[in-house]
Amino acid sequence: DGGITQSPKYLFRKEGQNVTLSCEQNLNHDAMYWYRQDPGQGLRLIYYSQIVNDFQKGDIAEGYSVSREKKESFPLTVTSAQKNPTAFYLCASRDRGMNSPLHFGNGTRLTVT
Amino acid sequence: DQQVKQNSPSLSVQEGRISILNCDYTNSMFDYFLWYKKYPAEGPTFLISISSIKDKNEDGRFTVFLNKSAKHLSLHIVPSQPGDSAVYFCAASAFGNQFYFGTGTSLTVIP
Repeated sequence: DGGITQSPKYLFRKEGQNVTLSCEQNLNHDAMYWYRQDPGQGLRLIYYSQIVNDFQKGDIAEGYSVSREKKESFPLTVTSAQKNPTAFYLCASRDRGMNSPLHFGNGTRLTVT
Repeated sequence: DQQVKQNSPSLSVQEGRISILNCDYTNSMFDYFLWYKKYPAEGPTFLISISSIKDKNEDGRFTVFLNKSAKHLSLHIVPSQPGDSAVYFCAASAFGNQFYFGTGTSLTVIP
């Protein structure tokens, strides 16, 4: 089955620790995205990557870092510099072409205490 | 500033009736618009999309209407079913780059 896998589903960390969220896709999509969802705020873009070894900041990139060494993988690191890291994180990918929709994974709920 | 807005946080509709979800945008460069359905603790599921060269797109019970002059789009669900109860997000992009999402509308279909 083709799809986007985010792991783990739930993640707990202590304040001050960096944590990396995994996102893998086997859809052969070129572009990958990270969004964050908070209550009442919809989905906000953290980072996106259109091709391997290239990525761009979204609206709320501060305190996050990414890498895109392989087409199928786009891990997100939440650093200790992120002031409010507790959130639901969603990874997405899309095929080439302007009118291709985003396809989402099932998300990772990160709780930092 | 929010470029895509969904001003109704919630909507309740009787089963079998029409559900109309609304979305407004501010960026005139947006050329592709989408609707997603989302359940709690899951990723959004793509429902239907429309490009700016069209004003209507239909897929089964779902129809999306685009009014470019008003910068407004809507999703019609007919007939509404209890399984349609979820949060619906509209999204928009320009040239296939960043995708901007609204804050969502929670739809409840009452049996």
